[in-house]
Formats: sequence, C-alpha cells, structure tokens
Amino acid sequence: KAGVTQTPRYLIKTRGQQVTLSCSPISGHRSVSWYQQTPGQGLQFLFEYFSETQRNKGNFPGRFSGRQFSNSRSEMNVSTLELGDSALYLCASSLDRVAEKLFFGSGTQLSVL
Amino acid sequence: GQQLNQSPQSMFIQEGEDVSMNCTSSSIFNTWLWYKQDPGEGPVLLIALYKAGELTSNGRLTAQFGITRKDSFLNISASIPSDVGIYFCAGHLISMEYGNKLVFGAGTILRVKS
Repeated sequence: KAGVTQTPRYLIKTRGQQVTLSCSPISGHRSVSWYQQTPGQGLQFLFEYFSETQRNKGNFPGRFSGRQFSNSRSEMNVSTLELGDSALYLCASSLDRVAEKLFFGSGTQLSVL
Repeated sequence: GQQLNQSPQSMFIQEGEDVSMNCTSSSIFNTWLWYKQDPGEGPVLLIALYKAGELTSNGRLTAQFGITRKDSFLNISASIPSDVGIYFCAGHLISMEYGNKLVFGAGTILRVKS
C-alpha cells in the first residue's frame, strides 16, 4: 500500500508569490490534515478535510487555504508569500473522521526568499 | 485553547542509556499518542494510549497515559544510534466544545552518542 505522497519535495519562492502544494493520501483514507512545521514551533495545525469538506481550521491567516477533491487528494495554497512562511508543510491522512492515528507524508520544504 | 508542554526540549545521551520524556497539559485528553520524526521524513506513530493509567510497550519503547488524563510519558530503554530524531507527543480530544482536535507538543530532539 503506497504511503502519503506530497509534491513537490522542495520549493523556493519569493515574497509576494503564491504556491500550491499537493497531497495524495493513502488509498481508502478520506481525512487529510495539513500541518506547518518550523524549528522550535513543533507542528502547527492548518486545516483538516473530510469528504471534500473542511472540518477543522487552525489559527492561520486567510492567505492559507486548501481543498479536497472527490478522490480524497488535497491541495493547499498560500498566497502573497511572506518570509515567515518558510517551513516544512506536512500532509497527513487518516482512515476515518476521528483522525488521531495520522499517517504523514515526507513533507514539502518551502523556502521563501 | 489546549496546549501541550513537552520536555525536555533536547537530549544528548550515550548509546545504551535509557531515555525519558514527558508531556503535560492543563486539558484532559481522550487519547495520547507518541510520534517519531526521522530527519527528512514525516512523523511516524509509535504508540497510542486510550485509557487513563494505561501502560503500553512497543519493543524498547514504553509509554503511559497519566491517571489524570493530563499527561503522558515515553521511555526508551538501551538507546541505539537509530533512535535519533524528534519525538512528538500528541493529545486527541473529542468534545462538544472543541469538536475533534489533535494537539502536538513542540517535540524532544534526541541525539545519541555512539
């Protein structure tokens, strides 16, 4: 069974640009969550999608958005990038709605210059 | 909101030593989990705990769900070089007030001297 796949693995952008990250969950998993990881800050929750609906949202500005498609694949978008958006963005999938057992992808390392 | 205080922030130990780390919170959680993140990878679930007082082992790893449901610890016995990485605790809560929430600690960075 393939794991969670995130693309791209690395990304370099400049301030003001926008970026789209992609996540393919484990086959059969319907819940997808996104996290931002920065050194010393741990894992900060961005949002969670289940069956194409956003179910939970963290405390991030509206520049951060996401969506989930009918095949459970998910994308997150960050508009008007800031230097502080540089981070590892992790996607995690879970089998069902009660998403405590998360399976993480390897992440997308975003650098904003 | 819910916050987890994970300690220590980092540890640098000798191969063969035992390791202990813990997580505390002012909030009660339904489930406590421990994840490990290897360099360049996403976190992987090590142990999940579902009942207050529960003690669970996974090889050299042992974790406990605190009686008050507000804390958990993880022990690693006889550490080896491949134990290096970041260990995260996580608390899961389902409530009418907060919905379905999974909260992570800031992580414990483990380094092992061989």
